[in-house]
Amino acid sequence: EDQVTQSPEALRLQEGESSSLNCSYTVSGLRGLFWYRQDPGKGPEFLFTLYSAGEEKEKERLKATLTKKESFLHITAPKPEDSATYLCAVQAANYGQNFVFGPGTRLSVLP
Amino acid sequence: DVKVTQSSRYLVKRTGEKVFLECVQDMDHENMFWYRQDPGLGLRLIYFSYDVKMKEKGDIPEGYSVSREKKERFSLILESASTNQTSMYLCATRQGSNSPLHFGNGTRLTVT
Repeated sequence: EDQVTQSPEALRLQEGESSSLNCSYTVSGLRGLFWYRQDPGKGPEFLFTLYSAGEEKEKERLKATLTKKESFLHITAPKPEDSATYLCAVQAANYGQNFVFGPGTRLSVLP
Repeated sequence: DVKVTQSSRYLVKRTGEKVFLECVQDMDHENMFWYRQDPGLGLRLIYFSYDVKMKEKGDIPEGYSVSREKKERFSLILESASTNQTSMYLCATRQGSNSPLHFGNGTRLTVT
């Protein structure tokens, strides 16, 4: 069964304490893996798209990487404003226009 | 930047009412989507549209219908609202088949 899982479910970091979030997927024919940030009461905000194993994308303190089975979102020296829920989603060849979303990781960065 | 606007942030409706959720985008994207988001269940696709007057069912279309009369506007309709339709509803658009979804800020619907 195709699925997307994320770990950990929740993560608390001190400001400046780097860490990584994991997104694991089991789909056939990956067409893209997408990372989003979602603040409480708001819609998800697009961060990155990764298309093939070995690809990396960076934006400020965030870096996303992709292997054949998982993606990592590395957060370097996080700040309290990085606190949010981070979602990953995959699009696969047999899904058409649909995406499969993971359950998310709730990140809290304490000052 | 893509702008996706949902007409209401919060709605409270009674069971049995007909409910309209509106979504407007300003980027001329062909594809538009309606998702609902529930704790523990994540985002689930209700319907999407790939062109004016065209629609496709998603994973959970039961109890919902959609309308797309103009390219920039996609409406979600709850024919007879029920309490199990209490949820956060998210509209999204995308430009092409491999591009990301861009979301609106959501409508939190409560059905009492």
